[in-house]
Amino acid sequence: DTGVSQDPRHKITKRGQNVTFRCDPISEHNRLYWYRQTLGQGPEFLTYFQNEAQLEKSRLLSDRFSAERPKGSFSTLEIQRTEQGDSAMYLCASSLDGGGYTFGSGTRLTVV
Amino acid sequence: DAKTTQPPSMDCAEGRAANLPCNHSTISGNEYVYWYRQIHSQGPQYIIHGLKNNETNEMASLIITEDRKSSTLILPHATLRDTAVYYCIVSQGGSEKLVFGKGMKLTVNP
Repeated sequence: DTGVSQDPRHKITKRGQNVTFRCDPISEHNRLYWYRQTLGQGPEFLTYFQNEAQLEKSRLLSDRFSAERPKGSFSTLEIQRTEQGDSAMYLCASSLDGGGYTFGSGTRLTVV
Repeated sequence: DAKTTQPPSMDCAEGRAANLPCNHSTISGNEYVYWYRQIHSQGPQYIIHGLKNNETNEMASLIITEDRKSSTLILPHATLRDTAVYYCIVSQGGSEKLVFGKGMKLTVNP
């Protein structure tokens, strides 16, 4: 296991398009988190899953955002009708029962 | 909101110890102190965490004051690769998510 994998690393999309990101956590980790990070700021929490259940969603996660974790393994984060303000680094992390997080390298989204 | 206060930046000479301070005056009894760092263009990396006692691992040492209102992360022999943004976070752990502040930029100079 090589850690948390995120795909793609970079995504450029036109405003109004839909995008989907994928995260593959460490296989034995039951918790999976999504964060968003803009330039000069720390990561901001978006949502987290314990196994396949989505247990918490931030107010930052508008109706255009949806996350899934079918079967408690990989997760997807979809953004519909992207806006320029969605441009950011989207980070995924996993942990075992809330222990230290292992983060992926992130997906950098640029909305033009 | 983040419950910790860190200086925005710090410089350290290569090979010297880097002592990174963090204030968390409102920490509650069941909250841990976590440290992460983020090297440019990468995801944050877990360093160490502690509750009351000082902790040491292969990366760093964590010194927590007796009243638990502040802590210091010590990198014993800083290298250029330790240049990063360091985040001090307090959290109950378990089901509670980590809340990141802006962190502190450590620059290790040759």
